[in-house]
Amino acid sequence: DGGITQSPKYLFRKEGQNVTLSCEQNLNHDAMYWYRQDPGQGLRLIYYSQIVNDFQKGDIAEGYSVSREKKESFPLTVTSAQKNPTAFYLCASTPPGWDTDTQYFGPGTRLTVL
Amino acid sequence: KNQVEQSPQSLIILEGKNCTLQCNYTVSPFSNLRWYKQDTGRGPVSLTIMTFSENTKSNGRYTATLDADTKQSSLHITASQLSDSASYICVVSEDYGGSQGNLIFGKGTKLSVKP
Repeated sequence: DGGITQSPKYLFRKEGQNVTLSCEQNLNHDAMYWYRQDPGQGLRLIYYSQIVNDFQKGDIAEGYSVSREKKESFPLTVTSAQKNPTAFYLCASTPPGWDTDTQYFGPGTRLTVL
Repeated sequence: KNQVEQSPQSLIILEGKNCTLQCNYTVSPFSNLRWYKQDTGRGPVSLTIMTFSENTKSNGRYTATLDADTKQSSLHITASQLSDSASYICVVSEDYGGSQGNLIFGKGTKLSVKP
């Protein structure tokens, strides 16, 4: 099946620990994105990558890091520097010519800091 | 400041009824507007995407309209079903002259369809 997957679905973390969220796509999309969703708020862009080995900060990149070593994979690390990491995290990818195309979203990972 | 405002914030309707969700935006320059459906705990799924020149676009029981002059869009759901219960998110894209533009997300309208 073609698609974009995220794992795990639920993740619990103790304060002070780093944690990495997985995002994989087999759609051959170049661009990939990480968003954070909080209750009652619109999605906010954390990081995005338009090509392998390149990524750019979004609106709320502080306390997060990413890598893009492979086209298919765009993992997000939530570091201990992120002050309020409990949220729903969504990964997305976009095919070429994305001006008129749609972002494809993964199923999301709900991160809870205990 | 580029903004996307959706109304109402939440809506409860009876199964079989129609409803209309609103999206007003101040994004400029405008590239396109998308409506997504997001089930609870899931990722958003695209319903429609509309460019400047399009006034109406349908996807089954979902019909989106766009008035680029007044910067308003609506999503009309016909003959609602229980499975329509979800959040509906309006997303507007800035036009950067062909290169990637910012996406500005609305906060969504939470629709509940009751039997």
